[in-house]
Parts: sequence; structure tokens; C-alpha cells
Amino acid sequence: DVVMTQSPLSLPVTLGQPASISCRSSQSLVHSDGNTYLNWFQQRPGQSPRRLFYKVSNRDSGVPDRFSGSGSGTDFTLKISRVEAEDVGVYYCMQGTHWPPFTFGPGTKVDIK
Amino acid sequence: EVQLVESGGDLVQPGGSLRLSCAASGFTFSSLWMSWVRQAPGKGLEWVANIKQDGSDKYYVDSVKGRFTISRDNAKNSLYLQMNSLRAEDTAVYYCTRGRWGMDVWGQGTTVTVSS
Repeated sequence: DVVMTQSPLSLPVTLGQPASISCRSSQSLVHSDGNTYLNWFQQRPGQSPRRLFYKVSNRDSGVPDRFSGSGSGTDFTLKISRVEAEDVGVYYCMQGTHWPPFTFGPGTKVDIK
Repeated sequence: EVQLVESGGDLVQPGGSLRLSCAASGFTFSSLWMSWVRQAPGKGLEWVANIKQDGSDKYYVDSVKGRFTISRDNAKNSLYLQMNSLRAEDTAVYYCTRGRWGMDVWGQGTTVTVSS
């Protein structure tokens, strides 16, 4: 199974400041079809997960452009250019290239300093 | 509006059974793979199972193989998860989500508690 790791696991941030979350996979996520199936999800407190990005950098509808996704191969990053209060929650990366099983990272908890 | 609504969660004793349902609306249910993902209390997300559009292919995480069965009824726009031989470690919120790898829409979840 592909193991997904994230760092940091806890990220206290100051409002208005940038934030960055790293996600690494135990093997390349480039599929034989040329796509890289790496998603990012946000889970606000008490809510269901919400997808932010698919295939590394494709932003979902309604996701603010202060969020960006990047990376390739085994290394991926989610960035928030200026953190807002509504960004508090846990962020997960997930790989959909080598399945079953689909595997998630352990999550990164973002909160306000 | 695209919507997924789970139901069927309950408190059940170890070794017991439960059937979860997910009602889909606002999209062509029969055209998409569907998945179940769970989240144990205070823990992260774990993919459980998925099923192809016509139900011909089904896949499971190793920890539930032989105990859980995913199914769907396209005429009723519904997804199911039959859970047998439940264990304490199956305690979680179970989410229904659409798409094979996409998982772009999630339900609100239904809570399964396995305890004596």
C-alpha cells in the first residue's frame, strides 16, 4: 500500500500569514495514464471533509484562490497565502493512483495562534 | 443540488450487524463510482470500499474484507454498506462519497458505535 505522510501534523498560524503543508507518498503517484491522482481535503471542526484540489493543482469550485496545490512525483504541497479564521481545521492529502486501497495522509491540524 | 445523505448508524454489540444507506440526489447516480470512507473518533480518514457504476466491481480495505459488503441500487439512487461481525475498531463516522478517486462530494456521515 502507498503510505502518505504529512508535515507538520500541527500548524499554528497567525491570521493573514502564509501557511504550507507538505505531503509525501511512498512511491510516485504518476499513473500510467499520465495523470497524478493526488487530492487535498479540508475538514473544518464538526463538518464533513470537503475537497479542495484534485489531480494536484485543480482547484474545486468555491475554493478561495488564496489556496494553491502543487507538486509532482512523490512530493506535494498545499499553500495558503494568507490564513483566515475560516481556514481552521484539518487538511488531508489522499492518493488515488495506486488502489485499492486509496490512502490518506494523517492530517495536518491548522489553528490560529 | 448535489446531495448525499447517510443513515443507518447505531450502537451495536461486538459481533453484530448493521446496514448503512446513502441516498443520492442532484446528479446521475448510475454514472459514477461510489465509495464509503470512515473516520474513527479523533482519528483521520480511512477509505473502506467502493463500487463501480453497475455494481460489477467492488473493492475493500483489507480490514473489512469478508465482513463488509458494498452494494447499490441505481433505480433508487442508493448506496449501501452491509457490515457483519462488527468489532470495536469499526467504531467510526461513515461517510458516503462519490467518484472512484475524485471524492468530490461527501455526505454528513452516520455514526456507528460497536460496544457492549
